[in-house]
Amino acid sequence: GQQVMQIPQYQHVQEGEDFTTYCNSSTTLSNIQWYKQRPGGHPVFLIQLVKSGEVKKQKRLTFQFGEAKKNSSLHITATQTTDVGTYFCAGQAAGNKLTFGGGTRVLVKP
Amino acid sequence: DAGVIQSPRHEVTEMGQEVTLRCKPISGHNSLFWYRQTMMRGLELLIYFNNNVPIDDSGMPEDRFSAKMPNASFSTLKIQPSEPRDSAVYFCASSLGGNPNYGYTFGSGTRLTVV
Repeated sequence: GQQVMQIPQYQHVQEGEDFTTYCNSSTTLSNIQWYKQRPGGHPVFLIQLVKSGEVKKQKRLTFQFGEAKKNSSLHITATQTTDVGTYFCAGQAAGNKLTFGGGTRVLVKP
Repeated sequence: DAGVIQSPRHEVTEMGQEVTLRCKPISGHNSLFWYRQTMMRGLELLIYFNNNVPIDDSGMPEDRFSAKMPNASFSTLKIQPSEPRDSAVYFCASSLGGNPNYGYTFGSGTRLTVV
């Protein structure tokens, strides 16, 4: 079945620094979504990418969908303590079913 | 809108007991999903419904798990009998299929502990 892998599993970041988390699917996707889960919370939808090579920005967050529609990345600039949490990518191949990656847990050092 | 509502928030039960988790999706959403989250296995899709009809239950671990959606505003996930390895956070999510702007909306989850 479809598998979605994320790296790194953990990311320790100094406040103010940038970092990137990567997502790879075993199959070609129709779209990819990103979610953020704060500690003790539930996943919250951030964005959806649909087109090959698509790039979208939300303030300090930049999301990219690969040309082959099998990978994606999330880049955060000037990390803040509010960025703490786990970031999940989720791939949709067919139907309405999302397969989530294992997540990247982000810890910010002030 | 109150969002996706799950109950109870926490459930502690003894092994062998029946557990029922409840979910009220967002009004107007036509898809509903049950996920289980553990440290070891991450977020796993258990089952999902489109227009109240179960579409894919391949993620349901075994016959002890069952899910129903009798109408557009209510769904249950039942575990009978429960086992310690079922301990996890169970999330319900709903979506309006085909809408690219909102994704899934998750409930706050039910933290289940089976002792």
